[in-house]
Amino acid sequence: GAGVSQSPSNKVTEKGKDVELRCDPISGHTALYWYRQSLGQGLEFLIYFQGNSAPDKSGLPSDRFSAERTGGSVSTLTIQRTQQEDSAVYLCASSPLGAGGETQYFGPGTRLLVL
Amino acid sequence: GENVEQHPSTLSVQEGDSAVIKCTYSDSASNYFPWYKQELGKRPQLIIDIRSNVGEKKDQRIAVTLNKTAKHFSLHITETQPEDSAVYFCAAYRPTGNQFYFGTGTSLTVIP
Repeated sequence: GAGVSQSPSNKVTEKGKDVELRCDPISGHTALYWYRQSLGQGLEFLIYFQGNSAPDKSGLPSDRFSAERTGGSVSTLTIQRTQQEDSAVYLCASSPLGAGGETQYFGPGTRLLVL
Repeated sequence: GENVEQHPSTLSVQEGDSAVIKCTYSDSASNYFPWYKQELGKRPQLIIDIRSNVGEKKDQRIAVTLNKTAKHFSLHITETQPEDSAVYFCAAYRPTGNQFYFGTGTSLTVIP
């Protein structure tokens, strides 16, 4: 079946502009995670959604970052007033239950470059 | 919170040799430990995982061992091949909050 998809695959923007990144999780997966991966670095947790519950936003680096998940499925990550340090790969992952340590399936990522 | 440390950060081995990557974690409540392989420019892919009620798991050339008392787990790749070259990430899952904590990655190079 279809895996996790993300769009756009690449995004180049100017400093100060807003960007929206989209994630389509695997159908039926209730848990959705956003991570940021800077060049040559590990995965930095940003936000976690579990079904229709209030998200865990503890990893968002600043109030310029926000995310929503509509209808328990598609999620969008919004970065307002982008800065050069926001340049990174943004990865989305979904898992079927979330609880119980179920496997995460990653999307291909969105490569964001802020000029 | 949980803290996962991964070593080494880079590893080079000759083709056919074994490679071992080690991770430690701090929270004894973590109960699931996946390993991901990430090739350049691609998404992380799960290659093997282990739950806290198991000490070892093997899948062909790949094995993972877990020592709950010492809070460390290791990835073992035997008979390495050039296509094993990639960055490998370990992770620890903590049920409280359904959170995954990732190591900083190991860049493995298999020299033909």
